[in-house]
Amino acid sequence: QVQLVESGGGVVQPGGSLRLSCAASGFTFSSYGMHWVRQAPGKGLEWVAFIRYDGSNKYYADSVKGRFTISRDNSKNTLYLQMNSLRAEDTAVYYCAKHAAGTGPGAFDIWGQGTMVTVSS
Amino acid sequence: AIRMTQSPSSLSASTGDRVTITCRASQGISSYLAWYQQKPGKAPKLLIYAASTLQSGVPSRFSGSGSGTDFTLTISCLQSEDFATYYCQQYYSYPPWTFGQGTKVEIK
Repeated sequence: QVQLVESGGGVVQPGGSLRLSCAASGFTFSSYGMHWVRQAPGKGLEWVAFIRYDGSNKYYADSVKGRFTISRDNSKNTLYLQMNSLRAEDTAVYYCAKHAAGTGPGAFDIWGQGTMVTVSS
Repeated sequence: AIRMTQSPSSLSASTGDRVTITCRASQGISSYLAWYQQKPGKAPKLLIYAASTLQSGVPSRFSGSGSGTDFTLTISCLQSEDFATYYCQQYYSYPPWTFGQGTKVEIK
């Protein structure tokens, strides 16, 4: 079945780094854009980053621009989020989500279960 | 960035009630609006896209309407499994893709 499984979360000190992974299965990963969305404890959803199906375009929220890098390996059906210079306010559950459309406007139709990132000394 | 504002932030309702949640965009977004349901400790689930199109597998008691700046999500006959938080999201102008702050539907 269509599935996204995140991994790589954990506890990291302020200023540290972490790399999240999202393994996709059940659909043609290389045909769809992918997103990272986060949710701080007790808060709402915040879009973080997007990568086009072929990796040619990447977009970031202002809150993470210059610190986070989204990438993908279509040969491994895997999405990544490299997070550097982490801050306490980056503490959240991080979800990967599939862009519903191959290209153009689309909702987020498949979500992973999320991985928790805690930034604390 | 387009700001999405939901109302109410929370509501209490009983099983069998009709529930309506409103979402307003800070500028026109045509029908590029989605609704998601999130239960505690779980990932969001897409319910409705293009303002009124039901995602496959979503019960027909859920419906969406609106275009431009004003949208509604209606649950026609609330079931126990519908108690959750609901988010609207615009995908008309991006980046960023933006969500409403959420509406928590609680048991009365």
